[in-house]
Amino acid sequence: NAGVMQNPRHLVRRRGQEARLRCSPMKGHSHVYWYRQLPEEGLKFMVYLQKENIIDESGMPKERFSAEFPKEGPSILRIQQVVRGDSAAYFCASSTTGSALAKNIQYFGAGTRLSVL
Amino acid sequence: AQKITQTQPGMFVQEKEAVTLDCTYDTSDPSYGLFWYKQPSSGEMIFLIYQGSYDQQNATEGRYSLNFQKARKSANLVISASQLGDSAMYFCAMSYNDYKLSFGAGTTVTVRA
Repeated sequence: NAGVMQNPRHLVRRRGQEARLRCSPMKGHSHVYWYRQLPEEGLKFMVYLQKENIIDESGMPKERFSAEFPKEGPSILRIQQVVRGDSAAYFCASSTTGSALAKNIQYFGAGTRLSVL
Repeated sequence: AQKITQTQPGMFVQEKEAVTLDCTYDTSDPSYGLFWYKQPSSGEMIFLIYQGSYDQQNATEGRYSLNFQKARKSANLVISASQLGDSAMYFCAMSYNDYKLSFGAGTTVTVRA
């Protein structure tokens, strides 16, 4: 999983503030995925992006959450007006292809632990 | 709906012994991928091994092997010659709709010296 860079590793926000989580995919990867992990649970899919396009955001809450993957720069997961329930680990993954038929290995970053006070 | 089940919340294994982590899945899709990831206490997710639904042979990667039984919908991970550094949480995952990963709840492995 070397190469997927997430920052910050830890983020503390007060209720009502905004959280911005950054993800730089592995070199040569153009597919980015965001997952959320609640304590003692497995990861849950949130959103899938390619450069400048949101392909699937079906796992993302309809309000307060947004994601982007601009032509230049990292992918950003943005959470507005955070609430305590947003406290979780947020993982970014990247891959070379978006198809499971082509052995679509998703490599993960180290995650961002968001704590909402 | 896709579902991954890991029934063993925690396991202990003696150093140098083998351990098998259970994983069963449920899907109606003919094409899917099965993955195992390791999450040590530091928190990162490390890819271990992949098995495609059409692969005829069980996947192996060093000390990791995947016991794929398609008819039983199981994809158990075998770690041979356990090392202290293998102590971690292990997640089984399945890809669906081509790119989404669905994860099980995980199994904690503790390797004893």
